[in-house]
Amino acid sequence: QVHLVQSGAEVKKPGASVNVSCKASGSSFTGHYVHWVRQAPGQGLEWVGIINPSGGTTDYSQKFQGRVTMTRDTSTSAVYMELSSLRSEDTAVYYCARVGSFTGTTAFDYWGQGTLVTVSS
Amino acid sequence: DIQMTQSPSSLSASVGDRVTITCRASQSISIFLNWYQQKPGKAPKLLIYAASSLQTGVPSSFSGSGSGTDFTLTISSLQPEDFATYYCQQSYSTSYTFGQGTKLEIK
Repeated sequence: QVHLVQSGAEVKKPGASVNVSCKASGSSFTGHYVHWVRQAPGQGLEWVGIINPSGGTTDYSQKFQGRVTMTRDTSTSAVYMELSSLRSEDTAVYYCARVGSFTGTTAFDYWGQGTLVTVSS
Repeated sequence: DIQMTQSPSSLSASVGDRVTITCRASQSISIFLNWYQQKPGKAPKLLIYAASSLQTGVPSSFSGSGSGTDFTLTISSLQPEDFATYYCQQSYSTSYTFGQGTKLEIK
């Protein structure tokens, strides 16, 4: 059984940074790319970026370039998303999601439970 | 970036109804289109990938079709647990854009 377990809710002040973790179990950690998606309160889904847990390579949405960093720790089967220079508009639930083993396409078959990040002075 | 537009934004229907949700891409994305279901306070759940392939464990009442720029998600007979918000997502380009969502409510 695949599980992605994320770290708990965070409250941050504007200008601060937040680091959200996503720990995988039940499958090959390095065998599946992991994406991060966020959802502002009452809003839709927004793609943040992707990390390859095997080599650590990343690709970020242009919207977050320069503010987001994704890393991984293969010893603990965890990936991390750090978002810096936080502003109120970054208040959202952040999800990690695994790319499934689908031939020739990308879709997210397992998701973490979500981490609420609240940015408030 | 590729823009994804869903219609309608919201929809009221009854148990047993047949429902269709449409997703349009701003450029051709072949069949690189996924559908997700999200219930309040929960993570999205994959229903359909590659436009028409049913994810394991998803009821056969769900089906997807389309290619190029126009896609549909159909629920053949609504069940009480199907009332949720549905999102399409393109995986043709690395912006992995989502549609704005369609909220399916009980009439």
